[in-house]
Amino acid sequence: NAGVTQTPKFQVLKTGQSMTLQCAQDMNHEYMSWYRQDPGMGLRLIHYSVGAGITDQGEVPNGYNVSRSTTEDFPLRLLSAAPSQTSVYFCASTGRVGANYGYTFGSGTRLTVV
Amino acid sequence: AQSVAQPEDQVNVAEGNPLTVKCTYSVSGNPYLFWYVQYPNRGLQFLLKYITGDNLVKGSYGFEAEFNKSQTSFHLKKPSALVSDSALYFCAVRVFSGNTGKLIFGQGTTLQVKP
Repeated sequence: NAGVTQTPKFQVLKTGQSMTLQCAQDMNHEYMSWYRQDPGMGLRLIHYSVGAGITDQGEVPNGYNVSRSTTEDFPLRLLSAAPSQTSVYFCASTGRVGANYGYTFGSGTRLTVV
Repeated sequence: AQSVAQPEDQVNVAEGNPLTVKCTYSVSGNPYLFWYVQYPNRGLQFLLKYITGDNLVKGSYGFEAEFNKSQTSFHLKKPSALVSDSALYFCAVRVFSGNTGKLIFGQGTTLQVKP
């Protein structure tokens, strides 16, 4: 049971480039979300999904797109990378919306935009 | 607005001494509260949660947390700190809107345990 798998672990992009951060979970979790972690700011929610075909914006969605075509996968797309998107990105999932299950986090993707 | 605050950026404690990492929250309704720990270059690991019931919650690695509704606090505690407890700790609250349940994090507290 792998839990939540994020790829890549590290990435360097040039300003204006696009890329996709991958997230996959094998626990049949309905709820998946993307966070970014910046020093002194904790984790901020970018986008989330309550099930396949359903996504919504979090606290800091600008510059990012998501889709949820399957229960297992929840990729995060950077449309045109900017230095302000340099951060560590975490994907998380949980079993049921409205239940008291804890979240499972991936190991993170460290992104640098130059 | 619903939020979580961790008033200390860093907590320093000597090994063997008790530790407390503070957390206060502001939510409407009954809070679902969590503590997570992050070791360097790793993801977040679940420590413990409070949903309902006993105000003192016990979790992983000997940690516990005390829920205080009147003070809207959920402080993390451990009777005897270990050097290996040194890490970044996050308090979080789950908030509900319709059929969604989002997790809101505090800014994190770095715990430094010195030998």
